[in-house]
Amino acid sequence: DTAVSQTPKYLVTQMGNDKSIKCEQNLGHDTMYWYKQDSKKFLKIMFSYNNKELIINETVPNRFSPKSPDKAHLNLHINSLELGDSAVYFCASSQAPLNEQFFGPGTRLTVL
Amino acid sequence: KNEVEQSPQNLTAQEGEFITINCSYSVGISALHWLQQHPGGGIVSLFMLSSGKKKHGRLIATINIQEKHSSLHITASHPRDSAVYICAVNSMEYGNKLVFGAGTILRVKS
Repeated sequence: DTAVSQTPKYLVTQMGNDKSIKCEQNLGHDTMYWYKQDSKKFLKIMFSYNNKELIINETVPNRFSPKSPDKAHLNLHINSLELGDSAVYFCASSQAPLNEQFFGPGTRLTVL
Repeated sequence: KNEVEQSPQNLTAQEGEFITINCSYSVGISALHWLQQHPGGGIVSLFMLSSGKKKHGRLIATINIQEKHSSLHITASHPRDSAVYICAVNSMEYGNKLVFGAGTILRVKS
């Protein structure tokens, strides 16, 4: 029973394509996050939603658009993919913004 | 300079040794987190603390708010403890978002 799940686990695509990564949590949490882990393994927050409302929107290109259809889902859509978008993307959730976070398994995106 | 600094960057220990990983931060925080990332890539939350000390099995986390410093200790280390340990803080200066350290790569040899 996976608490935070992401699909796909691996995504290989060409530059210029549009792709989506999906995230679902079955913990009943109100807050969800997207993080990017670069090639040096450094984690940075991208977005956070609380009760389907955007509360953190870091300085990321507007090619990245999060969508939260309900509290259990936070999807990440990326337009016009670039080489520099290659990274591992982690979804996470927490009961509330300042609570312990539970991470998904990550999606490794490779842009060729 | 990153708001969250960890030391050491790399650590190799012999099985059974006592291990300490340090984290210093330069911003006001609401809470501090210790995370573990295994070679397979998954991230697990070990501790979240805002004061004092917490213990879970062989792991102990402490925080000194005045000195802006936290330590993660592993007693009786085991090869399965080999992982990257990441310190992160809910930064009050940045709307309580999580700001991460660069991680400490721990390898425990048998």
